[in-house]
Amino acid sequence: AQTIHQWPVAEIKAVGSPLSLGCTIKGKSSPNLYWYWQATGGTLQQLFYSITVGQVESVVQLNLSASRPKDDQFILSTEKLLLSHSGFYLCAWSLGRTSAETLYFGSGTRLTVL
Amino acid sequence: GDSVTQTEGQVTVSESKSLIINCTYSATSIGYPNLFWYVRYPGEGLQLLLKVITAGQKGSSRGFEATYNKEATSFHLQKASVQESDSAVYYCALSATSSGQKLVFGQGTILKVYL
Repeated sequence: AQTIHQWPVAEIKAVGSPLSLGCTIKGKSSPNLYWYWQATGGTLQQLFYSITVGQVESVVQLNLSASRPKDDQFILSTEKLLLSHSGFYLCAWSLGRTSAETLYFGSGTRLTVL
Repeated sequence: GDSVTQTEGQVTVSESKSLIINCTYSATSIGYPNLFWYVRYPGEGLQLLLKVITAGQKGSSRGFEATYNKEATSFHLQKASVQESDSAVYYCALSATSSGQKLVFGQGTILKVYL
């Protein structure tokens, strides 16, 4: 069975501090990977996607970066957090290349920037 | 750009009553978009409830139904008789055929079902 694990579950960080969020998918080879973000009271927005190791496409500019160092791992990071980075971050995966594919989401990371 | 609108931020319904959660969309891409309902139950991750990729078709799952109405650009979620276990956050979403797997979500609707 496929599993998706996100870490950490929650973070409280200071403005200007670095951040690293992670996501691991087990049980699927070469998945497409995504990062989504939801600000408090806002909608879920796609931030990044990756169809293969080492390749990441940015969808929304939020002074964040993403990397895919291994086939089953997706990392979201920044060197300096802003207050506006607070929110809920979701990692997701899919298999196919069509727009009709189902996305499978992790449980998310709640980030609070103070 | 593409957008999805859910007009109700929260809906409160008595158990065994009927439910409609409204969803309308705007898609600027060529061709009809794919439409989805995702749900997040308390303590769980976001998961697919149902999807419809053909205009005019109906999707169903767990007693919920949604019909892809391309004339009205709507994809309302309905259930004839809700249960307390249906309490969750429901998100309508679309993906345009020309933009790969980028899901555009609505704001979400919190459904609270009371006994």
